[in-house]
Amino acid sequence: QKEVEQNSGPLSVPEGAIASLNCTYSDRGSQSFFWYRQYSGKSPELIMSIYSNGDKEDGRFTAQLNKASQYVSLLIRDSQPSDSATYLCFNDMRFGAGTRLTVKP
Amino acid sequence: GAVVSQHPSWVICKSGTSVKIECRSLDFQATTMFWYRQFPKKSLMLMATSNEGSKATYEQGVEKDKFLINHASLTLSTLTVTSAHPEDSSFYICSALDLVSGADNEQFFGPGTRLTVL
Repeated sequence: QKEVEQNSGPLSVPEGAIASLNCTYSDRGSQSFFWYRQYSGKSPELIMSIYSNGDKEDGRFTAQLNKASQYVSLLIRDSQPSDSATYLCFNDMRFGAGTRLTVKP
Repeated sequence: GAVVSQHPSWVICKSGTSVKIECRSLDFQATTMFWYRQFPKKSLMLMATSNEGSKATYEQGVEKDKFLINHASLTLSTLTVTSAHPEDSSFYICSALDLVSGADNEQFFGPGTRLTVL
């Protein structure tokens, strides 16, 4: 069975720090990976998508994909309190457990 | 970007009644939609894949007779929770693939429906 694994945290970082979120997946043939952010009681919203090995940057967010090791990560630079949310790794219609991030002012 | 709506956004019903949730793609046609369920402090779990014009594909452990899915048009999928019980209380979220303008396998999520069964 295809699985997506995340460290459920919680993860707490001070404002301005880098938050690092990690995810591993079981399907070696997977081609597309997504990071979603979910605020409490709300639907997930797309943060980043990544399809190729390496890094992909979008503003303060960087997604990293390593297909050989079957992991994908998300870095949030200059973390802000508004980044406090649950971050979900998504692959092959499966969500990871989510990592709860708290950014402290 | 592609927009997906859900109706109702929340519903409270008595145990034993049936509840229908609608999922609509507003500005694109969706041959495939997905239904997820999320319990408090848990992740989203895929319930079923809804295919326009054919039967839905249910995930293991999801009762197809209890969670009826109908995808009668390219813009509408419905999930009916039949004979609802308190343990069915959850946050139900649908998503859709926009094969024309969306990125590969990118799903667009609806705002969710919170179901409370008394």
